[in-house]
Parts: sequence; structure tokens; C-alpha cells
Amino acid sequence: KAGVTQTPRYLIKTRGQQVTLSCSPISGHRSVSWYQQTPGQGLQFLFEYFSETQRNKGNFPGRFSGRQFSNSRSEMNVSTLELGDSALYLCASSSPGLVGPDTQYFGPGTRLTVL
Amino acid sequence: AQRVTQPEKLLSVFKGAPVELKCNYSYSGSPELFWYVQYSRQRLQLLLRHISRESIKGFTADLNKGETSFHLKKPFAQEEDSAMYYCALSHGSGNTGKLIFGQGTTLQVKP
Repeated sequence: KAGVTQTPRYLIKTRGQQVTLSCSPISGHRSVSWYQQTPGQGLQFLFEYFSETQRNKGNFPGRFSGRQFSNSRSEMNVSTLELGDSALYLCASSSPGLVGPDTQYFGPGTRLTVL
Repeated sequence: AQRVTQPEKLLSVFKGAPVELKCNYSYSGSPELFWYVQYSRQRLQLLLRHISRESIKGFTADLNKGETSFHLKKPFAQEEDSAMYYCALSHGSGNTGKLIFGQGTTLQVKP
């Protein structure tokens, strides 16, 4: 099976702009989670979508939003970009397991730089 | 509050030496614990999860609820073990896609 893919891989934006990142999960996976990775804060959970519904949400401002389509592909949007939004954004997909929480499979990430 | 702490940013050992990467957690319920690894220029991937009680690439981890720890151990380190290791926690009930990560520990295995 093909792994999780994310597009674009690199993005450069300026403050105040908005950006949309895309994630295609592993075929058959219905859950997609998003994480922000920075040197200072490490890996932080943004939100999770399951069957087109947001199931979990992290502690990020409303400028960060997401959605999931019927084919499980997901997008996240960041509006009014700030310098501090510069980060690696990781997407992970998972499928319900038999026991306990799902194993998450990560994509390569989108590197966002805000100037 | 749910929290995962990895006290060491960097752990440097010689090949063949034992390795222990520390992880402590704070969680009020019954957590599920994971170790993820990121090798150079590769994506983050699951190394092992406590519920499986497996040994992967010679690594093992035991959940100690009394000490709220989930340390990762390997008796004899190999150079190819050099990577960034993350301990992560998830809710124990139901299937959720929310992981809380520690800050990560870089393991450097010297020849």
C-alpha cells in the first residue's frame, strides 16, 4: 500500500497570508490527524478527523482549521499567518485496530516557512 | 494534565553498550504508550506499543504504572539505532487519533 502523502512538501508564505495543506491517507484509513512540529515546542497535536467529522482538537487558535472529504483526504488551513506558524506540519492516518488505540502512520510533512 | 516527559535531549553511547531512553508520563486514566522513531531523512514511524508487548529491533519497553514510566531499553546498541526517539501517549479507551508526544531524545551510537 502506498504510504501517507502530503502536498506540497515545502511552502513559503508571508505574514497575513493563508495557506492550505493537503494529506492523502493510506487507502482504507478513515482517521487523519495533524501535528505541528517545531524545535521549541516539539510535536503538538492539532486535530483529528474521522469520517469527515472532527473527533479531537488540540490547543491551537481558531486560525487553524481542517476538514476531511468523503474519500478520507484531509486539508488543513491556516489563516492570517504569523511568523510563529513556521513549522513542519505532519499528517498521520490510522485505521481502527482490534485492541486499543490505532497505530498512526505518518507522512513526510509539509515544511511551512512564514516570512 | 496529560504530559509526556523525556528528560534527556541527547544520549550518546558506544556500539555494544546498553541503552535506556527514559520516558515518564502524567495521565489520570489508563494510557496507551508508544515509542516512535525517526531515522535521518525518514518519516516518523512506530517502533513499539506497550499493548503489543513486542520486541522490535531488540528494543523493549515496560509500562510501570507505579512509577508512571515507559522506558525504552536495548541491551546492545548498534550504529543503525542512531535516530530521534519519541515517547507518546494516547487515551486508553476507544480508538482515538490523538497522540501526546515527549520532546524526543536523540540517540547517538558511536563506533
